[in-house]
Amino acid sequence: EAQVTQNPRYLITVTGKKLTVTCSQNMNHEYMSWYRQDPGLGLRQIYYSMNVEVTDKGDVPEGYKVSRKEKRNFPLILESPSPNQTSLYFCASSLRQGASEQYFGPGTRLTVT
Amino acid sequence: AQSVTQPDIHITVSEGASLELRCNYSYGATPYLFWYVQSPGQGLQLLLKYFSGDTLVQGIKGFEAEFKRSQSSFNLRKPSVHWSDAAEYFCAVGQARTGANNLFFGTGTRLTVIP
Repeated sequence: EAQVTQNPRYLITVTGKKLTVTCSQNMNHEYMSWYRQDPGLGLRQIYYSMNVEVTDKGDVPEGYKVSRKEKRNFPLILESPSPNQTSLYFCASSLRQGASEQYFGPGTRLTVT
Repeated sequence: AQSVTQPDIHITVSEGASLELRCNYSYGATPYLFWYVQSPGQGLQLLLKYFSGDTLVQGIKGFEAEFKRSQSSFNLRKPSVHWSDAAEYFCAVGQARTGANNLFFGTGTRLTVIP
């Protein structure tokens, strides 16, 4: 089944404790992206990757890192999480940019205390 | 800069009634337009998309949307709403420019369906 998977689905952590949210897709898509969803703000892009070893900042990259060492994986790293990063995070992939449907993962709900 | 406006934060309709969710966009070229639905606790599922051609597009679950360039709108419609349509709906605009943001989302419209 074609899908985007994220782990963990739920995470509660404390300020400053490094964490990684994994994302994997099995559709051989070139383009992958991370979004955060906050009430009243919709989805905002954090980082995106156009292919292996090619990543770039989205609209709200501060406090986040990503890597794309393999085509299928695109982990999101919070090296020193803060409470304002409490949010619902979605990973997405698409065949290419622009005129291409994005497939979303199920989401990761992160709480930073 | 690209932007998407969904002017209705929350809409309540009766089951069986018709539905229209509004979406206006701002984009310099011909946009790629999408509607996604998010059920509680779920990820986003694509309802329909417009890239070019016929301005009335059909999607899944009986939804359709019409692209109106003169009004910069891409409103979502359904003739008869079912209780299972209760969800949050997001309009998004995409672009093909290399190296740029892929999708800009509106802030969403939450749909409540009453019996």
